[in-house]
Amino acid sequence: EAQVTQNPRYLITVTGKKLTVTCSQNMNHEYMSWYRQDPGLGLRQIYYSMNVEVTDKGDVPEGYKVSRKEKRNFPLILESPSPNQTSLYFCASSSLLEMSETQYFGPGTRLLVL
Amino acid sequence: DAKTTQPPSMDCAEGRAANLPCNHSTISGNEYVYWYRQIHSQGPQYIIHGLKNNETNEMASLIITEDRKSSTLILPHATLRDTAVYYCIVAYNNNDMRFGAGTRLTVKP
Repeated sequence: EAQVTQNPRYLITVTGKKLTVTCSQNMNHEYMSWYRQDPGLGLRQIYYSMNVEVTDKGDVPEGYKVSRKEKRNFPLILESPSPNQTSLYFCASSSLLEMSETQYFGPGTRLLVL
Repeated sequence: DAKTTQPPSMDCAEGRAANLPCNHSTISGNEYVYWYRQIHSQGPQYIIHGLKNNETNEMASLIITEDRKSSTLILPHATLRDTAVYYCIVAYNNNDMRFGAGTRLTVKP
């Protein structure tokens, strides 16, 4: 089954404790991205990657890092989480065969930073 | 900056067609109109997209006006499981997508 998976689905942590949220897709997609969703602000893009070893900032990259060492994986790293990073996070992927390719979203990771 | 305007909420009776409007008066010639939906806090789900012509798939129909300044998503026979937030997005490609507040559709028995 074609899917995007994220782990963990729920996470409670404390300020400053490094964490990684994993994202994996099994569709051989070139494009992957991370979004955060906050009440009243909709989904905002954090980082994206057009292919292996190619990453770039989205609209709200501050406080986040990503890596794309393999095509299927695109982890989101919070080196020193802060309470304002409490949010619902989504990973997404798509093919780049056509400009209008649709995105497939993961189930989301709900993060609480105390 | 979502580039689209949608009503914040709509109701629809189960079994009837749900018609969700979207205004995108500043759309450029090579920008697509995409529709996604989000059920509760699940990941957004793709519904349909189009450039100029009307489109139909197993989930919905997309009607785009001739001047492309507005569109309507039609769910022909709404069910309770169609209750969700529906996002209308105008973009060149995935990287250009900006999700706004969307329309909260409630399908009622």
